[in-house]
Amino acid sequence: EVVLTQSPATLSLSLGERATLSCRASQSVRTFLAWYQQKPGQAPRLLIYDTYNRATGIPARFSGSGSGTDFTLTISSLEPEDFTVYYCQQRTYWPLTFGGGTRVEIK
Amino acid sequence: QVQLQQWGAGLLKPSETLSLTCVVNGGSFSGYSWTWIRQPPGKGLEWIGEVNDSEDANYNAALRGRASISVDTSKSQASLMLSSVTAADTAVYYCTRRDRYGSGPDAFDVWGQGTMVTVSS
Repeated sequence: EVVLTQSPATLSLSLGERATLSCRASQSVRTFLAWYQQKPGQAPRLLIYDTYNRATGIPARFSGSGSGTDFTLTISSLEPEDFTVYYCQQRTYWPLTFGGGTRVEIK
Repeated sequence: QVQLQQWGAGLLKPSETLSLTCVVNGGSFSGYSWTWIRQPPGKGLEWIGEVNDSEDANYNAALRGRASISVDTSKSQASLMLSSVTAADTAVYYCTRRDRYGSGPDAFDVWGQGTMVTVSS
């Protein structure tokens, strides 16, 4: 199975700062990678699909990039509601897999 | 706006069968792959499996054949059964969908509210 490794596990930043989250795949997943945001007690929310496409209603401060094995989710300027957990997910190979998550916390 | 509502037993004993159902409200059922994902307390997300409305299914081999997902298109429902549960199956279970064959995102764009399932003797 494709292992997705997210780094760092925790990212400590201040309001208004830029967040850069990494997701590395154990083999190429081409561009078939998505990002989700999950707040406590809630279901995950789709942010980005197929590397760089923002889902409906997602603010422009969220952007995705990468291809093959290395992907990045960037939040250009952190808002209070952005401090939570983020997961990447690949759909190239069965079983579909998720990364272990990155927590963005207030510094 | 499409919503997924899910339900099922929240407390099971070891060796019992988990059974959850998800219904689609306010949107189309056909044309999507219906997926179940789980999240143990304090941990990450695990894909269980999915089925499309032609009942072609794929499952996570890590579940060793215990999972079965079915659909009832007449009721806009998708169901999960997981047999021979143990404490390791304790998790929040989510139903979700992805658009594998149409023009929508091929990603999990709509989610149910989640059902906490606890396995304990």
